[in-house]
Amino acid sequence: EVQLVQSGAEVKKPGESLKISCKGSGYIFSSYWIGWVRQMPGKGLEWMGIMYPGDSDSRYSPSFQGQVTISADKSISTAYLQWSSLKASDTAMYYCARSLYSSGWYFGYWGQGTLVTVSS
Amino acid sequence: DIQMTQSPSSLSASVGDRVTITCRASQDISNYLAWYQQKPGKVPKLLIHAASTLQSGVPSRFSGSGSGTDFTLTISSLQPEDVATYYCQNYNSAPFIFGPGTKVDIK
Repeated sequence: EVQLVQSGAEVKKPGESLKISCKGSGYIFSSYWIGWVRQMPGKGLEWMGIMYPGDSDSRYSPSFQGQVTISADKSISTAYLQWSSLKASDTAMYYCARSLYSSGWYFGYWGQGTLVTVSS
Repeated sequence: DIQMTQSPSSLSASVGDRVTITCRASQDISNYLAWYQQKPGKVPKLLIHAASTLQSGVPSRFSGSGSGTDFTLTISSLQPEDVATYYCQNYNSAPFIFGPGTKVDIK
């Protein structure tokens, strides 16, 4: 069974760094695209970026390019979303999601979400 | 970048009604279009990919159509459990953005 298990909720202050994780199981981690989606409180889904762990090929939304870093550690089947300096506007739920098939950039499997709260 | 729009932004319909949601891409995306359902407080769920291919386990009252720039998601007979926000997504060319969503509730 494919599962994506995300790290727990975080409360951080503006300017702090953060790395949240998404551990995949039940499939060959390096063979499927894995992406991140932001959902701010009461708002819609925002596509942030996607990475192919097999060769680290990645694509970012222009809205998030330079603001976050998507990475993966194939050895532990885990993807990451990282900020170097958080802002209050980063407060949101963040979902990781996996492509349904090894090709195709739509998401067939989703993590449970990680709530990030940034507040002074 | 390709922009995605959806209409209406919200709708209210009766149980058993036929509901249609429209998604429009700013450029031709062929059939590289997915639809997702997000129930309140829940994780999004894939309903349809390749514009019209129903994901395994999704009730047959859901259907998708369209190609190029204009797409529709249809619920043939609205059920109470269909209360959700529905999003389309372009996956033809990056960034693979979502539409703004259509909120569906029961009248």
